Amino acid sequence: QSALTQPASVSGSPGQSITISCTGTNSDVGIYTYVSWFQQHPDSAPKLIIYDVTKRPSGVSGRFSGSKSGNTASLTISGLQAEDESTYYCCSYAGSSTWVFGGGTKLTVL
Amino acid sequence: EVQLVESGGGSEQPGRSLRLSCTTSGFTFGDYAMIWVRQAPGKGLEWIGFIRNKAYSGTTEYAASVKGRFSISRDDSKAIAYLQLNSLTTEDTAMYFCARSMATTGPIYFHYWGQGTLVTVSS
Repeated sequence: QSALTQPASVSGSPGQSITISCTGTNSDVGIYTYVSWFQQHPDSAPKLIIYDVTKRPSGVSGRFSGSKSGNTASLTISGLQAEDESTYYCCSYAGSSTWVFGGGTKLTVL
Repeated sequence: EVQLVESGGGSEQPGRSLRLSCTTSGFTFGDYAMIWVRQAPGKGLEWIGFIRNKAYSGTTEYAASVKGRFSISRDDSKAIAYLQLNSLTTEDTAMYFCARSMATTGPIYFHYWGQGTLVTVSS
């Protein structure tokens, strides 16, 4: 169960869009549509923002969207706001009832 | 309102054991899978394992890194999930979070989370 690969950091200015990638293998992201994304502010619990690759839980802003192509899933945040500054984690089902997280990406809003 | 509160963390010596609790309210506990995730200081999230709901006989699954040392159980009458940590090592130092599955069936997405309980393993 190797961790999924995410960039350590990304940045963007208010109003812009950014995309965070999450690269796995054909044993997890590549063959399952069970990809989720979490937002975690410092000293807080993670918050589920995307599941089933593209779906948003109730109450999550429509500025968050997800996609997948091959072994790579992506999270896009449009219309960046200061409150989006956080760390984002992807997570994928990895078969045999196991799950694997990415290493996390710190988003800085400039 | 769905609430999850972890407890039982603290300082422990290598080789010892700890039992963490996840006390819940605001939903029918027995209908949902419960998940444990940990986060070492300054590091990323690590899935530890989960316990299925009663419809799936409350069976458990674990990450390879903890299998054989950690065990998850549940008491549906008290709406509490437990994580037993045995043979602790310094690498088990982390914040331990419990989470509830999003739905009663299907993929076990980690929807509602507690605030975590800190486990420190040191001699």
